Amino acid sequence: ELKVEQNPLFLSMQEGKNYTIYCNYSTTSDRLYWYRQDPGKSLESLFVLLSNGAVKQEGRLMASLDTKARLSTLHITAAVHDLSATYFCAVGGGSNYKLTFGKGTLLTVNP
Amino acid sequence: ETGVTQTPRHLVMGMTNKKSLKCEQHLGHNAMYWYKQSAKKPLELMFVYNFKEQTENNSVPSRFSPECPNSSHLFLHLHTLQPEDSALYLCASSQEFTGGNEKLFFGSGTQLSVL
Repeated sequence: ELKVEQNPLFLSMQEGKNYTIYCNYSTTSDRLYWYRQDPGKSLESLFVLLSNGAVKQEGRLMASLDTKARLSTLHITAAVHDLSATYFCAVGGGSNYKLTFGKGTLLTVNP
Repeated sequence: ETGVTQTPRHLVMGMTNKKSLKCEQHLGHNAMYWYKQSAKKPLELMFVYNFKEQTENNSVPSRFSPECPNSSHLFLHLHTLQPEDSALYLCASSQEFTGGNEKLFFGSGTQLSVL
């Protein structure tokens, strides 16, 4: 059974600081997704990572995938308040459509 | 707006009631999904439909009954629910799930409370 662990689950940081969210998974996969969820809103797709060494960047967020280590990271650079949200990673395994989600990381960026 | 619309946004029901959740996608996708999001737990996949055919039932109790009349609409019929079924129910769609790049588009969810 595929298990996905995110850490930290809660992250409070100051504006302007850098930090990294980690996503570990238990079995081989070459498909990893990052989503963002604002309170009361949908999950919004941020990144799709499909190969070992893949790196994607959008604004202050950068995601990477190391399939050998079964690890993805979401790096936040110079955080701003607008980044406050819950971030989920999801891993594809077995059947293509079956994604297993982590518990999410609640990020709060303080002025 | 993601192109996936769920109604109602909030629902309170008693354990003996019957209600239905509705999901509609305007993206021309072929696959639709129901997920359950409970506090402090990861999102749980409940059902998957591809081209209107159910391809996944993730050991969901029979008090949850999905229906997919066409590729754009998905329902979740609820009856004799338990308080532990209270959660946010999310609908999602994707273009396909054979290409390995099945980005999901989620609706805003229905927040369900069972009394």
